[in-house]
Amino acid sequence: DIVMTQSPTSMSISVGDRVTMNCKASQNVGSNVDWYQQKTGQSPKLLIYKASNRYTGVPDRFTGSGSGTDFTFTISNMQAEDLAVYYCMQSNSYPFTFGSGTKLEIK
Amino acid sequence: EVQLQESGPGLVKPSQSLSLTCSVTGYSITSNYWGWIRKFPGNKMEWMGYISYSGSTSYNPSLKSRISITRDTSKNQFFLQLNSVTTEDTATYYCARYGEIVMPTGDYWYFDFWGPGTMVTVSS
Repeated sequence: DIVMTQSPTSMSISVGDRVTMNCKASQNVGSNVDWYQQKTGQSPKLLIYKASNRYTGVPDRFTGSGSGTDFTFTISNMQAEDLAVYYCMQSNSYPFTFGSGTKLEIK
Repeated sequence: EVQLQESGPGLVKPSQSLSLTCSVTGYSITSNYWGWIRKFPGNKMEWMGYISYSGSTSYNPSLKSRISITRDTSKNQFFLQLNSVTTEDTATYYCARYGEIVMPTGDYWYFDFWGPGTMVTVSS
């Protein structure tokens, strides 16, 4: 299985901060990485697909980049409503695998 | 609008089978793919498998022969059965649509619609 190593595990941030998290794949997954946001008590929501494409209705403060084995997800201007756990997921090969999640908390 | 809703027992005894239903409205399950994903206590997420528009299936090998995903197209529902459960199967279970987008570089697929999830505890 492809292991998605996500970092950091958690971040304490302030509203307005720039937030960056990373996922490293154990082998080449091309651009087949998606990023999901999960707020407490809710189901995951797709934010970024195919590494860098913003899903319908997603604000432009959310961006993704990367290819191959290294991927980055950025929130350019953190808002209070962005408090959540964020996951990367690779769909390049079966079984699809997720990163361990990055939890954003208010400082 | 596509909506999914999981249902099933919230408590299952060890060694028994876990059975969940995903009811879909607003879209036919004879199109696209339909999957099950679970989230364990502590945030770990696991893709379990999916059933295609034609009824073919793909499963996570980690679940070996314990898993079965089936469907009832007349009710627009698909189902998860997980046999011989242990406490390690305690999780929140989500059903989701694996939808397609046509891009200049080719088709791409992603989990675009999710159910709210159902928590299942395995305990005697």
